[in-house]
Amino acid sequence: DVKVTQSSRYLVKRTGEKVFLECVQDMDHENMFWYRQDPGLGLRLIYFSYDVKMKEKGDIPEGYSVSREKKERFSLILESASTNQTSMYLCASSAAGEKTQYFGPGTRLLVL
Amino acid sequence: EDKVVQSPLSLVVHEGDTVTLNCSYEVTNFRSLLWYKQEKKAPTFLFMLTSSGIEKKSGRLSSILDKKELSSILNITATQTGDSAIYLCAVVSGAGSYQLTFGKGTKLSVIP
Repeated sequence: DVKVTQSSRYLVKRTGEKVFLECVQDMDHENMFWYRQDPGLGLRLIYFSYDVKMKEKGDIPEGYSVSREKKERFSLILESASTNQTSMYLCASSAAGEKTQYFGPGTRLLVL
Repeated sequence: EDKVVQSPLSLVVHEGDTVTLNCSYEVTNFRSLLWYKQEKKAPTFLFMLTSSGIEKKSGRLSSILDKKELSSILNITATQTGDSAIYLCAVVSGAGSYQLTFGKGTKLSVIP
């Protein structure tokens, strides 16, 4: 079974803090993705990576950065958290050439 | 800009009813369409439909891709309370693309 894990299920941070969200997959997938999910807006792609040290901007990259130093791990970084980044963050992975993405359980982030 | 629209946004039915969820898309160079089910946390994969495979079925769930109408439907027969979830439709477009463009989802509630 594909397993995608995220470091925290719930996180509360203060405005201006630096926030790290970690995602790890154990299926040797090449592609990894970060989404945020908000009511009425659906899932929106923040960043994705198709190889170690490679990254591509998604639809809403502003205010975020990512890091992929190892194939199994993809980190999302909020350099200076703001209240409008309160959201559910979902990580996903897929094998090269495969369209099906497998999702982690999500991290619900609250920025006060 | 690629666009995926799901309807209805929410739906309440009684156990045993049959439901049809809709997904329409406007994308350049369509590759495939995927359906996911999201309960409390991570979306889980249901079906992928491509230009060469336009109908899929698994138990009480089935999905059809209408390439002419640029749409897909997800049917659930004899609904159960365990079918209550958000159903997400996503489209892959563009050669070599790994990105999914998601619709906003349909929230299905099945009441006893």
